Amino acid sequence: QQQVKQSPQSLIVQKGGISIINCAYENTAFDYFPWYQQFPGKGPALLIAIRPDVSEKKEGRFTISFNKSAKQFSLHIMDSQPGDSATYFCAVTDSWGKLQFGAGTQVVVTP
Amino acid sequence: SQTIHQWPATLVQPVGSPLSLECTVEGTSNPNLYWYRQAAGRGLQLLFYSVGIGQISSEVPQNLSASRPQDRQFILSSKKLLLSDSGFYLCAGNPVNTGELFFGEGSRLTVL
Repeated sequence: QQQVKQSPQSLIVQKGGISIINCAYENTAFDYFPWYQQFPGKGPALLIAIRPDVSEKKEGRFTISFNKSAKQFSLHIMDSQPGDSATYFCAVTDSWGKLQFGAGTQVVVTP
Repeated sequence: SQTIHQWPATLVQPVGSPLSLECTVEGTSNPNLYWYRQAAGRGLQLLFYSVGIGQISSEVPQNLSASRPQDRQFILSSKKLLLSDSGFYLCAGNPVNTGELFFGEGSRLTVL
């Protein structure tokens, strides 16, 4: 059973543009919502994360928006750069620390 | 911070041969440990997770097994590999009750 649904599957954005990736979940017991970034041939690495007591978190060009009532959260990449080209995964975490990942979004930033 | 070491990095094995992928953890004690598989261009499929020595939970029925003989050692095994076992295998861990998962560099398995 898929715990989190991620869209779009892929995304092409011009340099300087905004990349937006969305995730939706069902289980209200989840209490930690991270985003991971994965470059080809490498393991994913934590990019940014949010807890449900805040609606937005910003770190540099990366922002998570969280809508608890809609059970949705999104990643915004501002001023996208070619170095941001990677696969991005949202995830949900229960109180035991166990993660379930979305299907991933491949982002390509064109020069 | 936590570091995950995983080996071998690449492996080419014939169908029917055994498999052993090893993962060790530095920087934390009693972590939760995970094995994920990632098919080419696809998402992360959770295979096994462990909350302690000898405690293994399987997420999907399959040809693989996992063991945790020591607190910071996690092993993925198979007695007889299938073609469908090919993929990119990732070991990961997180300290108990924290959500940040640390991943190893991955092991790319090709079964021929």
